[in-house]
Amino acid sequence: AQSVTQLDSQVPVFEEAPVELRCNYSSSVSVYLFWYVQYPNQGLQLLLKYLSGSTLVESINGFEAEFNKSQTSFHLRKPSVHISDTAEYFCAVSDIINSGGSNYKLTFGKGTLLTVNP
Amino acid sequence: DVKVTQSSRYLVKRTGEKVFLECVQDMDHENMFWYRQDPGLGLRLIYFSYDVKMKEKGDIPEGYSVSREKKERFSLILESASTNQTSMYLCASSFQLAGLSKRTYEQYFGPGTRLTVT
Repeated sequence: AQSVTQLDSQVPVFEEAPVELRCNYSSSVSVYLFWYVQYPNQGLQLLLKYLSGSTLVESINGFEAEFNKSQTSFHLRKPSVHISDTAEYFCAVSDIINSGGSNYKLTFGKGTLLTVNP
Repeated sequence: DVKVTQSSRYLVKRTGEKVFLECVQDMDHENMFWYRQDPGLGLRLIYFSYDVKMKEKGDIPEGYSVSREKKERFSLILESASTNQTSMYLCASSFQLAGLSKRTYEQYFGPGTRLTVT
């Protein structure tokens, strides 16, 4: 079974500063990787995903993440954050649940609370 | 837009009560999932289902059961609620993998039910 480590439980930054939220997963076999964001009192929303192809993936609101197979990492970055980016961010990795590999579940990290201060 | 709805946003129950949490999705997804979310512990999978009437235990199934009589509906049941089941409960759904299909594989989440057991 996969495991996911989000190295920082809380990351405080000032507005317009760059930020990196770190995520490492346990296995180097083929995986799908996801970042989800949770705003206060809401469910999780998909921020971006890596399925295959280019190792750098981007979201529509300026976040990007790079899949690094050798380091089993999928760190999330944004060059300049806004107050509205304040939220909890969860990294997730696919975990195959049947021998044929046609179905899977997600294993989540424990989350990183990003707080953007003025 | 994919819609995952949960029957209640907030619920208060007494110890020993039987509690039903309902989840409905409108995207014809095969997979449905129940998680609980607790501060510092991230999301933990309780049960999932990959087909009608099928269910699989997740990481923390003790004290819970589930029911999936229709494809779009997945219910979580607390047979005898206890105070340590006070938590945020999140439902999610997804497609199964389908080879070279262009289906998206991410999970879509409902808004969550905050359950308090007194």
